[in-house]
Amino acid sequence: EAQVTQNPRYLITVTGKKLTVTCSQNMNHEYMSWYRQDPGLGLRQIYYSMNVEVTDKGDVPEGYKVSRKEKRNFPLILESPSPNQTSLYFCASAPRQGAGGSGYTFGSGTRLTVV
Amino acid sequence: DAKTTQPTSMDCAEGRAANLPCNHSTISGNEYVYWYRQIHSQGPQYIIHGLKNNETNEMASLIITEDRKSSTLILPHATLRDTAVYYCIVRVEGGGSQGNLIFGKGTKLSVKP
Repeated sequence: EAQVTQNPRYLITVTGKKLTVTCSQNMNHEYMSWYRQDPGLGLRQIYYSMNVEVTDKGDVPEGYKVSRKEKRNFPLILESPSPNQTSLYFCASAPRQGAGGSGYTFGSGTRLTVV
Repeated sequence: DAKTTQPTSMDCAEGRAANLPCNHSTISGNEYVYWYRQIHSQGPQYIIHGLKNNETNEMASLIITEDRKSSTLILPHATLRDTAVYYCIVRVEGGGSQGNLIFGKGTKLSVKP
């Protein structure tokens, strides 16, 4: 089944403890992206990647890092998490940047709480 | 600045048509109108998209005004499972950051028995 898999689904952590949220897709998509969703603010793009070793900032990149060493994986790294990074995170992939139609596939989300 | 304007929330009776409006008065000639929905904290789901002509698929219909400054998503027979946040997105297709999928705040549709 074609899908985007995020892990973990739920995570509670403490301020300053480095963490990684993994994202993997099995569709050989070139494009991958991370979003965060907060009440009243909707979905905001954090980082995106147009292909292996090519990443770029979205609208809210502060406090996050990403890497794209292989096509299928696009981990989101929080080097020193803070409470304002408590959010619902979504990973998405598409055949290419700007893919049309129903090209984007989203993961099921990761709910992160930083205390 | 937001490219689209949608009502914050709407109600619809089960079995009736749900008509969700979207204003995109600054849309460019090469920008498409896309609709996605998000059911209770799940990942967003593609519904439909169009450029100029009206479109219909198994999920919904999309009506775009002739001047392309607004559109309406129609769910012909809403069910309780259609309760979700609906996002209207204006975007180009193809390469470049303009092709990124950028979400606004959407319309919270509540379908009531």
